[in-house]
Amino acid sequence: RKEVEQDPGPFNVPEGATVAFNCTYSNSASQSFFWYRQDCRKEPKLLMSVYSSGNEDGRFTAQLNRASQYISLLIRDSKLSDSATYLCVVNKDTGNQFYFGTGTSLTVIP
Amino acid sequence: NAGVMQNPRHLVRRRGQEARLRCSPMKGHSHVYWYRQLPEEGLKFMVYLQKENIIDESGMPKERFSAEFPKEGPSILRIQQVVRGDSAAYFCASSGTEGLNTEAFFGQGTRLTVV
Repeated sequence: RKEVEQDPGPFNVPEGATVAFNCTYSNSASQSFFWYRQDCRKEPKLLMSVYSSGNEDGRFTAQLNRASQYISLLIRDSKLSDSATYLCVVNKDTGNQFYFGTGTSLTVIP
Repeated sequence: NAGVMQNPRHLVRRRGQEARLRCSPMKGHSHVYWYRQLPEEGLKFMVYLQKENIIDESGMPKERFSAEFPKEGPSILRIQQVVRGDSAAYFCASSGTEGLNTEAFFGQGTRLTVV
């Protein structure tokens, strides 16, 4: 089983739509969780960390469900500029080893 | 504070040559990771290093690939006798001390093309 699994998509949504991505992880000892964004032919960049209590940053909301071992990212009021690949990232356990999902592709359509 | 620096940005090698990819982590970071991304695919972990130590190389191919992170200087990913299948983007990331929510920062990558 892969350490981190994501639905690859693609998700094609109209501007203004709300879209949600889920990610599951296999190691119950994992402690840190992140969502990264990768634009075409660019490096991944941190979008947001995911905290146990859930966290929000503008139009973006991240949730963590430890019991079910999944992480979610919700994007409200989608913009054209949100088009990218979204990567779920989980650390191995308490250390610094990061595992990346293969990413979920989002295209926001005018 | 400069970010993670990778060079070269683009590298072309003929089959059988050696490729050396360099990565200077962010200032103060002692953890370095190398990832490979094939066209239209996700990031695949290769190796995790701390200064002078390889912590996890479970993603490294058994032959032709090696990595180091010396006490002084950048981390080097070395690919000997390159083949066409090595063509990919190679990303380096670095992070600071261990702890909760210590994120990794990426360099812009080196795009290797084997001809």
